[in-house]
Amino acid sequence: GNSVTQMEGPVTLSEEAFLTINCTYTATGYPSLFWYVQYPGEGLQLLLKATKADDKGSNKGFEATYRKETTSFHLEKGSVQVSDSAVYFCALSEGSGGSNYKLTFGKGTLLTVNP
Amino acid sequence: GAVVSQHPSWVICKSGTSVKIECRSLDFQATTMFWYRQFPKQSLMLMATSNEGSKATYEQGVEKDKFLINHASLTLSTLTVTSAHPEDSSFYICSAAWGGFYNEQFFGPGTRLTVL
Repeated sequence: GNSVTQMEGPVTLSEEAFLTINCTYTATGYPSLFWYVQYPGEGLQLLLKATKADDKGSNKGFEATYRKETTSFHLEKGSVQVSDSAVYFCALSEGSGGSNYKLTFGKGTLLTVNP
Repeated sequence: GAVVSQHPSWVICKSGTSVKIECRSLDFQATTMFWYRQFPKQSLMLMATSNEGSKATYEQGVEKDKFLINHASLTLSTLTVTSAHPEDSSFYICSAAWGGFYNEQFFGPGTRLTVL
């Protein structure tokens, strides 16, 4: 079956530090890959996605590249801000072409950015 | 953006009672809604998928008689945990999709259920 493994947190960084949150997956077929972010007290929000191998998703300074050879989708940001403090979830879907159907989530990584 | 609300955000109940959780899409019509369960430090696990006006499709291992899902309108789905027990204590999250289950899901903030 499908599964997603992401680095366990919590991750604590200083403002303007470089962020990497590792995510690897196992899947049958050709899944789409996603990063969701959950700010305190809010629902999960789609941060970025990639629908096929070598695609790069990007949003709000965050990036992740769909690496089929290493089955990875690591999240990166060059300079984090305090406002980036949140829980980040890596996910994959059974549907191709960016479909969100039947999402499989990682356990989430709590990021805290200190001023 | 699309907004999904859940009510209540937090509920405590006695063992053996039933609890209903509401999920509403506030600014769009949700043809499909999803219910997830999240244990502490665990990932979200899909419990069921419901389309407006039809019966929910439950994931393997989820008791349909235990977790009753109703999606009676395009803006409301409810999850009723029947005869709740302490092992049902968890964080329940809904999401809603417009135009069918292949489209982007918008998530509610979740409901924390504690069964004493």
